[in-house]
Amino acid sequence: KAGVTQTPRYLIKTRGQQVTLSCSPISGHRSVSWYQQTPGQGLQFLFEYFSETQRNKGNFPGRFSGRQFSNSRSEMNVSTLELGDSALYLCASSLGGGITEAFFGQGTRLTVV
Amino acid sequence: KQEVTQIPAALSVPEGENLVLNCSFTDSAIYNLQWFRQDPGKGLTSLLLIQSSQREQTSGRLNASLDKSSGRSTLYIAASQPGDSATYLCAVCLNFGNEKLTFGTGTRLTIIP
Repeated sequence: KAGVTQTPRYLIKTRGQQVTLSCSPISGHRSVSWYQQTPGQGLQFLFEYFSETQRNKGNFPGRFSGRQFSNSRSEMNVSTLELGDSALYLCASSLGGGITEAFFGQGTRLTVV
Repeated sequence: KQEVTQIPAALSVPEGENLVLNCSFTDSAIYNLQWFRQDPGKGLTSLLLIQSSQREQTSGRLNASLDKSSGRSTLYIAASQPGDSATYLCAVCLNFGNEKLTFGTGTRLTIIP
């Protein structure tokens, strides 16, 4: 059974650009959550999608957005990149519906220069 | 606001010792608690999930306990091995159907051969 797949694994972008990250959850999982991990702030929740609807959102600016497709795959977009957006972005999938064991992907390392 | 703390931030122990990692949370109204390990630059690996109605869970050499009333969880690792070296994170989920996890700050564990 395939795990959570995130692509790409590494990205280098310039300030002001935008970026799209992708996450394919475990087959059968309907919930996808996104987290940002930095040395200073640790792991912070960005948002969660369930059945193509955003159910929860963390305290991040509107430059951070996401969506989920009918096959549960999810994308996260960051516009107008800032140096402070450099981080490891992690995606987690779970069955949803109250069975909330989360399984994480390997992450996308984003570097903004 | 739920806050999750893990003390100590770093721990070094000789191989073969048993050890305990601590996790505390400020709001006892949690739905479940999950323990993860993270290797440098990698994603999170789920270790154990404890539902709020449970007191402990075991998997191999790992045992996690939960005391909701005191806002504490412990992860016990028996007969530690060098391969156990990693950062260990606990995370709490607040509500049924709410997949958002609030993470602790982590304990970086080093097992000395």
